[in-house]
Amino acid sequence: GEDVEQSLFLSVREGDSSVINCTYTDSSSTYLYWYKQEPGAGLQLLTYIFSNMDMKQDQRLTVLLNKKDKHLSLRIADTQTGDSAIYFCAGCATNKLIFGTGTLLAVQP
Amino acid sequence: DAGVIQSPRHEVTEMGQEVTLRCKPISGHDYLFWYRQTMMRGLELLIYFNNNVPIDDSGMPEDRFSAKMPNASFSTLKIQPSEPRDSAVYFCASRGLSSYNEQFFGPGTRLTVL
Repeated sequence: GEDVEQSLFLSVREGDSSVINCTYTDSSSTYLYWYKQEPGAGLQLLTYIFSNMDMKQDQRLTVLLNKKDKHLSLRIADTQTGDSAIYFCAGCATNKLIFGTGTLLAVQP
Repeated sequence: DAGVIQSPRHEVTEMGQEVTLRCKPISGHDYLFWYRQTMMRGLELLIYFNNNVPIDDSGMPEDRFSAKMPNASFSTLKIQPSEPRDSAVYFCASRGLSSYNEQFFGPGTRLTVL
């Protein structure tokens, strides 16, 4: 089955860029997703990328997809303290979202 | 729309008791998912429904867990009897017609089994 891996923790200073990485094993997902989870809350879709795309930009967010290496990344430009949260990448296999382990992003003022 | 609604938000119970978690999906959504989140295992899909019918329950850990969806606007996840290892945050999510299959999550129910 699908296996999705992420680094556990990332610390950046406010105003810097953050890059969160994800690797996956199953390349059959039509879409790949980035979800954000704030403390005590559910997950919220941040952005997604279609599997035949290499890059998608959405305001401060840039998603890069390297299908050959099965690597997905999320770049957050001008990171703010409000971006502090856990970020999950996910693939979709027959209606089921398979989530990564989550990366805790800590933004230092 | 109020989004996905879950109740209770917090539940503390003793081992052996029955626990029922409730979910109201977003109106018009035809898929409903139950997830469990723990530190050790991360986010796991337990079961999902399409048009009120259970489609895949392969993630349900044991016979102690059961889920129902009697109508399009309500679902329950029941644990009987509960055990301390069931302590987790349980999320419900729903999905409607979306070109990219977006799932909308509820705020979760934090379950503590003593």
